[in-house]
Amino acid sequence: LAKTTQPISMDSYEGQEVNITCSHNNIATNDYITWYQQFPSQGPRFIIQGYKTKVTNEVASLFIPADRKSSTLSLPRVSLSDTAVYYCLVAVYSSASKIIFGSGTRLSIRP
Amino acid sequence: NAGVTQTPKFQVLKTGQSMTLQCAQDMNHEYMSWYRQDPGMGLRLIHYSVGAGITDQGEVPNGYNVSRSTTEDFPLRLLSAAPSQTSVYFCASSPRQGTYEQYFGPGTRLTVT
Repeated sequence: LAKTTQPISMDSYEGQEVNITCSHNNIATNDYITWYQQFPSQGPRFIIQGYKTKVTNEVASLFIPADRKSSTLSLPRVSLSDTAVYYCLVAVYSSASKIIFGSGTRLSIRP
Repeated sequence: NAGVTQTPKFQVLKTGQSMTLQCAQDMNHEYMSWYRQDPGMGLRLIHYSVGAGITDQGEVPNGYNVSRSTTEDFPLRLLSAAPSQTSVYFCASSPRQGTYEQYFGPGTRLTVT
């Protein structure tokens, strides 16, 4: 199973761009990379998913280098409401039992 | 749509008691799953289902049973509660197994004394 490694915590300020990197050295050919956001006392919320190169949606961008051993979630111009825990997941596209949530990155945004 | 709903929101059990955590979704999603989240930890997959009548074990299935008689409902049963099962339980669903854009419920906070 591909294990992910993320920083335990990060701090930033409102209006800044935040990049959270996830390491997944053992990623397999069929694995996809997915990021979730979780606020206190709530269930996780899907942010973005990708396989390679770059994916962008209205919330974030996901950068995946060619070797796919890491990925970077980029949050543009963060606000206080982006304070949350962010999880990077690597899982086989067709095998739900292989979904592993790591400990996540606790992002704190300051005014 | 209500999305994914879970009941109850909070529950306190004594060791050895049994109970069922309810989960329902109104999005006609085929895939549903149960996770537990211990304080300061990520989520761990307990059981999942890829459709009505089909269930399978996740990472931490011991002490829990599930069934999926309808597309909408996926209850989680604790057979004999133990203090180690004190946790927050989340139910999730997604349109199909091959995507991890899962929609999570609000969670059930369970305390076993």
